[in-house]
Amino acid sequence: GQQLNQSPQSMFIQEGEDVSMNCTSSSIFNTWLWYKQEPGEGPVLLIALYKAGELTSNGRLTAQFGITRKDSFLNISASIPSDVGIYFCAGQLPSGTYKYIFGTGTRLKVLA
Amino acid sequence: SAVISQKPSRDICQRGTSLTIQCQVDSQVTMMFWYRQQPGQSLTLIATANQGSEATYESGFVIDKFPISRPNLTFSTLTVSNMSPEDSSIYLCSGGQSDTQYFGPGTRLTVL
Repeated sequence: GQQLNQSPQSMFIQEGEDVSMNCTSSSIFNTWLWYKQEPGEGPVLLIALYKAGELTSNGRLTAQFGITRKDSFLNISASIPSDVGIYFCAGQLPSGTYKYIFGTGTRLKVLA
Repeated sequence: SAVISQKPSRDICQRGTSLTIQCQVDSQVTMMFWYRQQPGQSLTLIATANQGSEATYESGFVIDKFPISRPNLTFSTLTVSNMSPEDSSIYLCSGGQSDTQYFGPGTRLTVL
């Protein structure tokens, strides 16, 4: 199936460092969602973005809807060990079907 | 937000048998979807579960193999039919309104 390009694929960082990841596509999206998934669990919604250029925060997380509507970014500040997991972006196609296409995922590991 | 539960949480099945997975949402939602995910990989959309009508399947997925029901706005089932080891995967249900979606914990299926 169709997927979004998400980078980096994986990150190993020290506790306290900031993290940046992004999703890019050749297609335009109406909505961007960012999820975190931990082993054995379903994805948990972190942030939702609805307008081009929108910048939204949720605690230490900040995400932006790219002005071209073809990309989105997620930043995590001052990482902590519990930030470990796989982060997925999801873009909603402007097709009226309300379907989402998921990114390939960024696997984050935090070293204490 | 919506809280989504799935049953069973995991199962081990024999080749050639079928398994039905149930998805229950704690509130009425417009959209419900079914995904498949290999461990550590991204999510692939199987189909959109339409209330009171036939599901809309993505390329590569067919109704005979993955029959879906959605009798109301809070419940859906996915059946994995005539299973083979290649069907071993995590099956995820999601639900939400048109601009967001929440996930269940997933059903981990192993086919021997």
